[in-house]
Amino acid sequence: SSELTQPPLVSVSPGQTATITCSGSKVGSRFTSWYQHKAGQSPLLVIYQYDRRASGIPERFSGSTSGNTATLTISGTQSVDEADYYCQVWDRNAALFGGGTKLTVL
Amino acid sequence: VQLVESGGGLVKPGGSLRLSCVGSGFTFNNYYMAWVRQAPGKGLEWVSFVSDRGDTVFYSDSVKGRFSVSRDAARNAVDLQLHSLRLDDTAVYYCARDPASSGFFDSWGRGTLVTVS
Repeated sequence: SSELTQPPLVSVSPGQTATITCSGSKVGSRFTSWYQHKAGQSPLLVIYQYDRRASGIPERFSGSTSGNTATLTISGTQSVDEADYYCQVWDRNAALFGGGTKLTVL
Repeated sequence: VQLVESGGGLVKPGGSLRLSCVGSGFTFNNYYMAWVRQAPGKGLEWVSFVSDRGDTVFYSDSVKGRFSVSRDAARNAVDLQLHSLRLDDTAVYYCARDPASSGFFDSWGRGTLVTVS
């Protein structure tokens, strides 16, 4: 099991705010990154170093951290945002990924 | 920036395979690189990491002692040698670029499928 815990599924309606959490003891002390992964495509870096948006990522994506929980927030969620999302940290010479969250936009 | 993996295929348990990742569109030999895999129906799992000069390598516990990563500067490539393959090594293997030696990955290849059966 992953040391980074994510909810398996988050569902939102178009235009609503989606919140995906990533919890674990490593989160509070290590930079957290977020990736979007759609079936048949390469993973895409969305957020790095807690809250920095990667190049080309829309402003509706934001990251934050409080204690041992990192949060990816998607404001005004669009159908194109439907994907799996993974958090990731680098710790003790290893990359750790969360178990992933499937975001559905209903 | 482009990363292209190759070398995947069908292999029997206990067999070996060599994966390659060739980079273009950037100064490949200035970047740390990683391999990440995704087994069918599972999440992303980090496999290995190699520094820009190839003198520092790390492996996940699940592949340590069986996989070996190296770089070939002349080819702008990073190779992953897979030995003693097991059924649970079946996955799509991605190579990814670490842009600042900071432990996150800003560019990924399309992946190459390894099937152990």
